[in-house]
Formats: sequence, C-alpha cells, structure tokens
Amino acid sequence: AQTVTQSQPEMSVQEAETVTLSCTYDTSENNYYLFWYKQPPSRQMILVIRQEAYKQQNATENRFSVNFQKAAKSFSLKISDSQLGDTAMYFCAFTAVIETSGSRLTFGEGTQLTVNP
Amino acid sequence: DGGITQSPKYLFRKEGQNVTLSCEQNLNHDAMYWYRQDPGQGLRLIYYSQIVNDFQKGDIAEGYSVSREKKESFPLTVTSAQKNPTAFYLCASSIDSWTSGTYWGYNEQFFGPGTRLTVL
Repeated sequence: AQTVTQSQPEMSVQEAETVTLSCTYDTSENNYYLFWYKQPPSRQMILVIRQEAYKQQNATENRFSVNFQKAAKSFSLKISDSQLGDTAMYFCAFTAVIETSGSRLTFGEGTQLTVNP
Repeated sequence: DGGITQSPKYLFRKEGQNVTLSCEQNLNHDAMYWYRQDPGQGLRLIYYSQIVNDFQKGDIAEGYSVSREKKESFPLTVTSAQKNPTAFYLCASSIDSWTSGTYWGYNEQFFGPGTRLTVL
C-alpha cells in the first residue's frame, strides 16, 4: 500500500517571497508518478506539477518547482514569487504504474497556504 | 465545451435514505473515479472504473455503490449503510493509461466541480 504524508497543515508567506511545502511518501514500487494539486476556495482541483520517478531532473512549471529525492522518498514543492492567487489548499499525490490499479491517486492530507499582501 | 459535470452542487439527505450523485463527462475518457474529501484527510478513493461495465473498489468503498453502463456516466450511490456520509465528493476522469497490458504513460485526471452532501 502507498501512503502520502504532508506534515504542514497550514503555512503562510508574504507576497513575492518563496515558500516550500513538504511531502513524504512510502511505496515499494519503483515506477510511479508524483503530483502537486492546488485546490482554491472554489474547490476545483488543479494540477500544478508532476514528476516521473524515473527522471532524475526535477520538474519545473514557471514559478513552481519540485525537489524530488527518490531515496529519501521526499517530494517538496517550491513556489517562487508568491502571488495572492496562490492561496489555496495544496495536495501531494502519488500513483504507481500498476495495471490492476488503473491510474488511481493517493493523496496527502493537504497544506493550506495563505499568501499575505 | 468538453468537461466533467457533477450534480447537484449541494445535496441534503435524511438519515436512512439512499442518494445518488451524478457524474458526466464528454471528454471521451475511458477511466472514471470517485473521491471523498473530508477536512484534514485529503481525498480518498471510493471506486474507479477503467472501462464500461467494469469497476473496482477503492480504499473506502463500504456503504457506496456505483454503475458504469455508459462511457460518459459514472453515478455514485451513497447508501444508508454509509455511517458518516457528510462530505465533499469529487468525480474525475482520464484517458486510460493501459491498453492490452501496455502502459502508455500517465494521463492527467480531470476533476469535476464536486458535490457537497450533508446528512440531516
């Protein structure tokens, strides 16, 4: 079974500053994907960034980047130049490449990020 | 416009009643999913379906049932056996990553807007 843990229930950052959200996971699989999802107050789930486990290079998407440490099973999200619109709940998620599991996602508990003006 | 719709947005139910949540997609996706969201617990998988007329239990299937008679529809029934049904329910769909035993790479899950169910 896979588990995903986010140890920071809440975080805050000043506008234009940088913040890092933490995530750890546990799995016995070697082939998998990791994700960060954003859920703003509208509650619509939005994919922010994804990382393939077989890729050593950390994924980046504009102001969002990850620090993927496979051996440590750590997957943190860095948000640079934080904007007010980044205020949301952020979920770390995992999916293993197993045919019988489809593409089911396992989510962490979430981190509520507030960007202050 | 292509997308996923869930209805209703808010649903109230009396204890002991079954209720069905609707999920429809016009993205031509094979795979569909139901997740439950509770405060402090993130999203948990209830059921998923990779193809019409087939579905699999997720992590918290007890007290729920689903059907997949059409590719575009994946309704979720919350039965009276579900002890604590008050929650936010999210439906998602994706292109199935597996075909005849071959993995074609991860395909993003697209989420609907959700249904908030409250048991009175």
